Amino acid sequence: NAGVTQTPKFRVLKTGQSMTLLCAQDMNHEYMYWYRQDPGMGLRLIHYSVGEGTTAKGEVPDGYNVSRLKKQNFLLGLESAAPSQTSVYFCASSRDGSGIRELFFGEGSRLTVL
Amino acid sequence: SQQGEEDPQALSIQEGENATMNCSYKTSINNLQWYRQNSGRGLVHLILIRSNEREKHSGRLRVTLDTSKKSSSLLITASRAADTASYFCATDRGAGNMLTFGGGTRLMVKP
Repeated sequence: NAGVTQTPKFRVLKTGQSMTLLCAQDMNHEYMYWYRQDPGMGLRLIHYSVGEGTTAKGEVPDGYNVSRLKKQNFLLGLESAAPSQTSVYFCASSRDGSGIRELFFGEGSRLTVL
Repeated sequence: SQQGEEDPQALSIQEGENATMNCSYKTSINNLQWYRQNSGRGLVHLILIRSNEREKHSGRLRVTLDTSKKSSSLLITASRAADTASYFCATDRGAGNMLTFGGGTRLMVKP
């Protein structure tokens, strides 16, 4: 039982390049989230999904797009990477969005934009 | 803006001592959760306390919640070197709202 798996774990991009981060969960969770973690800023929500085929903006969505074509997968895309997007990205999932929400996190994807 | 703010930002103690971390928040909540993050790893859920609870225990963890002061504390008793990690509080304002994380407390437990 892998839980939440993120790929790739590390990536270096040049400004203007595009890339996609993949998140996969095997817990049949409805909700999935993408966060970014920067020093001293804690975790900030980028986008989230409340179910297959749905996505919504979080606190810092600009410069990112997401897709949830399958329930188990949540993709985060950067269309034109900028140095300000250098960060550690975490995917998380939860059973649902009501009642008690315990988030399960992946191990993170460290992105550097030069 | 962050809903939860942890205090202190960093804490260094000796093995066997107790560690106390505090979290303050701004608006009413449904529940408050604490997560742990080891260096270079993802966050792991530790404990949840509902808004109608005042204290909760789990092993060496003790969490308190004071909704009148909008604050929570996490106490780790008899700390071990393996407790070295960052600890985050997350506030849950209920359906329709997403969890909001604070900036975290970096705990170092010296052997």
